[in-house]
Amino acid sequence: EAGVTQFPSHSVIEKGQTVTLRCDPISGHDNLYWYRRVMGKEIKFLLHFVKESKQDESGMPNNRFLAERTGGTYSTLKVQPAELEDSGVYFCASSQPGAGVNTIYFGEGSWLTVV
Amino acid sequence: AQSVTQPDIHITVSEGASLELRCNYSYGATPYLFWYVQSPGQGLQLLLKYFSGDTLVQGIKGFEAEFKRSQSSFNLRKPSVHWSDAAEYFCAVGAWAGSYQLTFGKGTKLSVIP
Repeated sequence: EAGVTQFPSHSVIEKGQTVTLRCDPISGHDNLYWYRRVMGKEIKFLLHFVKESKQDESGMPNNRFLAERTGGTYSTLKVQPAELEDSGVYFCASSQPGAGVNTIYFGEGSWLTVV
Repeated sequence: AQSVTQPDIHITVSEGASLELRCNYSYGATPYLFWYVQSPGQGLQLLLKYFSGDTLVQGIKGFEAEFKRSQSSFNLRKPSVHWSDAAEYFCAVGAWAGSYQLTFGKGTKLSVIP
């Protein structure tokens, strides 16, 4: 069974540009999460989808970040325009319906560098 | 709100030595507790988790952790460290905060000396 996959694995963009990160959860996992770790800080929750609906987006830092999950399958996280402080690693995770936090599976992360 | 403290930013041990990574949490109810590891260039891998029951939990790669409610701690241990254990280790607490979320500590980077 394929795990959580993220694309791209690494991205270097200039300040002011746009980047779109993609996450494909494990098949059948209704819950999809985005987390990120910016330089020197802890890993922080960004948002949680249940199928195509945003269950909780309280961790999104500002309106430069837009997450979507059309059709309840893969998800995208767009940063527009990117700022230097957005550099870090963005993790996607998924879990089965009703699983809560006890069976969350993480992807390998998308490493973003804004120069 | 829940929080996690990992007091050691960086630890260096010799290969074959024992290891203990500290984790303290703050949460009003019985927490779900986790340890994750991130090897260089890799994603987050779950080492072990505690929900209830036996307070000593076994994980993968020979790791174990002990939940101590009185000390609000969930320290990770390994009796004999291997060079491949060099990585960054994250303690996390899972709780409901609008949705089920993981709150992570800042991580402890482990270096292993041959």
